[in-house]
Amino acid sequence: DGGITQSPKYLFRKEGQNVTLSCEQNLNHDAMYWYRQDPGQGLRLIYYSQIVNDFQKGDIAEGYSVSREKKESFPLTVTSAQKNPTAFYLCASSRSETGSSSPLHFGNGTRLTVT
Amino acid sequence: AQSVSQHNHHVILSEAASLELGCNYSYGGTVNLFWYVQYPGQHLQLLLKYFSGDPLVKGIKGFEAEFIKSKFSFNLRKPSVQWSDTAEYFCAVNNYGQNFVFGPGTRLSVLP
Repeated sequence: DGGITQSPKYLFRKEGQNVTLSCEQNLNHDAMYWYRQDPGQGLRLIYYSQIVNDFQKGDIAEGYSVSREKKESFPLTVTSAQKNPTAFYLCASSRSETGSSSPLHFGNGTRLTVT
Repeated sequence: AQSVSQHNHHVILSEAASLELGCNYSYGGTVNLFWYVQYPGQHLQLLLKYFSGDPLVKGIKGFEAEFIKSKFSFNLRKPSVQWSDTAEYFCAVNNYGQNFVFGPGTRLSVLP
């Protein structure tokens, strides 16, 4: 079955450490996205990529970095510069460019806890 | 910037009650509208979407939504909820050249 795989499901890190969240899709989608979900705030866009080797900042990119070396993969690094990293992180993909009617497909998410 | 509001943070209903969840957006131009659902422990799934045509759209599991352009609204409805509809519901909007903007979500609890 096609879908989006995020790993790990739960991640614990000490403050000051960088951590990388994995996202892989086998839907052959061009566009991939990272969202952060906090209670009562909905989903906020961190980074997105519409094509391999290219990505753009979303609304809350500070303290995060991404890469898009392969179409299937869009890892997110939460750096020590992110002031409030504890959150639920969702990866998504879609068939085409921003603003189209193609819906987002989501992974199961990674819950990151930083202490 | 585009914004999306959802009227209720938490809705509690008994089984067989009717449901209406409000969603309003701020952009006045052409938009695509979506409702997503997140069941406990599961990933977000698309319930339905509107991008053109009949403003009353039907989705999965008996849900429907009505796009009212003059009110900038896209309310989600279901005539009779079930316990299995307990979930969090998100309204989302995008328009040409812009990314999705999500509302804060509405948590629905259906009592058996």
